[in-house]
Amino acid sequence: QVQLQQWGAGLLKPPETLSLTCVVHGGSFGGHYWSWIRQPPGKGLEWIGEIHHSGSTNYNPALESRVTISLDTSKNQFSLNLTSLTAADTAVYYCARGIGVVIPRFDSWGQGVLVTVSS
Amino acid sequence: DIQMTQSPSTLSAAVGDRVTITCRASHSISSWLAWYQQKPGKAPKVLIYKASTLETGVPSRFSGSGSGTEFTLTISSLQPDDFAAYYCQQYHSYPLTFGGGTTVEIK
Repeated sequence: QVQLQQWGAGLLKPPETLSLTCVVHGGSFGGHYWSWIRQPPGKGLEWIGEIHHSGSTNYNPALESRVTISLDTSKNQFSLNLTSLTAADTAVYYCARGIGVVIPRFDSWGQGVLVTVSS
Repeated sequence: DIQMTQSPSTLSAAVGDRVTITCRASHSISSWLAWYQQKPGKAPKVLIYKASTLETGVPSRFSGSGSGTEFTLTISSLQPDDFAAYYCQQYHSYPLTFGGGTTVEIK
């Protein structure tokens, strides 16, 4: 059974860069989409973007200018960089596995990391 | 972007009640809809995908229906473990989008 474990800095200042990494245990890295999703405190879920095991990416246009998602298949891990942080980026950030033929749904999630942006 | 609108935002119900949550899409998404359950401090967990297919291991009291722009999640007999937030998500087109969520509270 696949498990996703994520880590990264939890307290950042504007306009620093957020960096998070997610490692995949117990499942195949290939053939899937690997996404980042965030949830501001007390609010709903926002998809940030994804990377396919082939290396192709899709990003949410609302965040695209600030987001980079990368992949290290040798370590079964993928990463998120989000630049020019503001307080509005304060959220729990989740990594997730997407499965599907064309566009994925999410079947496994990391535990989440709370990232607080405050000066 | 496809906007997903859930109703109600909060629902008060008792154990044993039948509960229905609605999700509407701003454009047709065929049956490319998933439902997730989220408990406080935890990651979401998928319940249903392709609008009506139950994920393995999910109790049969959960069911989903709909296609096009209107979808429902039904819990046939609410159990204590079901008090949580529920989200719909479309995977018809990018960017992937979620509904605003429905919190099921104890009455």
